[in-house]
Amino acid sequence: DVKVTQSSRYLVKRTGEKVFLECVQDMDHENMFWYRQDPGLGLRLIYFSYDVKMKEKGDIPEGYSVSREKKERFSLILESASTNQTSMYLCASHPTGFGQPQHFGDGTRLSIL
Amino acid sequence: SQQGEEDPQALSIQEGENATMNCSYKTSINNLQWYRQNSGRGLVHLILIRSNEREKHSGRLRVTLDTSKKSSSLLITASRAADTASYFCATVPTSGTYKYIFGTGTRLKVLA
Repeated sequence: DVKVTQSSRYLVKRTGEKVFLECVQDMDHENMFWYRQDPGLGLRLIYFSYDVKMKEKGDIPEGYSVSREKKERFSLILESASTNQTSMYLCASHPTGFGQPQHFGDGTRLSIL
Repeated sequence: SQQGEEDPQALSIQEGENATMNCSYKTSINNLQWYRQNSGRGLVHLILIRSNEREKHSGRLRVTLDTSKKSSSLLITASRAADTASYFCATVPTSGTYKYIFGTGTRLKVLA
C-alpha cells in the first residue's frame, strides 16, 4: 500500500514564526500536492510538484512556499505564520499519468496563536 | 476557483438503509473521483468514473455520471456504522491541469 506520511498530526506555532510541514511518500510518485481544508470550503490547492525541484502554484499560494529536493519529500513552508493560516493541511501524491487517484496523508492540524 | 458541490451537506440514516449523495460540477471533465474522509484523518480514494462511463460499481458502492447535467451520484447500499464519514467528489478537468477540484463534502452519519 502507498503510504504518505506527514511529520506531525498536531502543531501549535506563534504568529510570525517560520513553519515547516513535511510530507514523505514511499511509492516513487512523481506528483505531490499540498492542500488546506477548512470547514465549508472543502480542499483548496496551495502548491503542487510534478518532479524534483519543479513546483506550480495552486489556488491559494500566498503566504506559502514549497521545497522538493528529493522525489519522496515535499515540504510546505509558512514564511511568517499568521492566525488565518490555522487550518488542516493535507499532503497527497499520485503516480505519473493524468487524472490518477490521489493518496493522502493523515493531515497536520496547525494552530497559529 | 470553481468548486464542486455535494448535496446534501449532511445526511443521517439508520444502519441497513441506502445513502445517496450528489455532486455537481462546472467544467468539462476527464474523470470524477469519490473519496471518503473519516474524522480527523486524510482522504481515501473510493472509486473513479471516466467521462465516457455512465455507471460504475465497487462492492456496496454505485456511482453514476451524467455529463450533460454535470452531475454524479454516489450510492452506498446496506450502510453500516463504519460508513460514517465525510464523502467528497473530485473532478479532473479536461484542460490538462493537475488541479483537481474538490467539493465541500457530504457528512454521512449511520446510526446503529
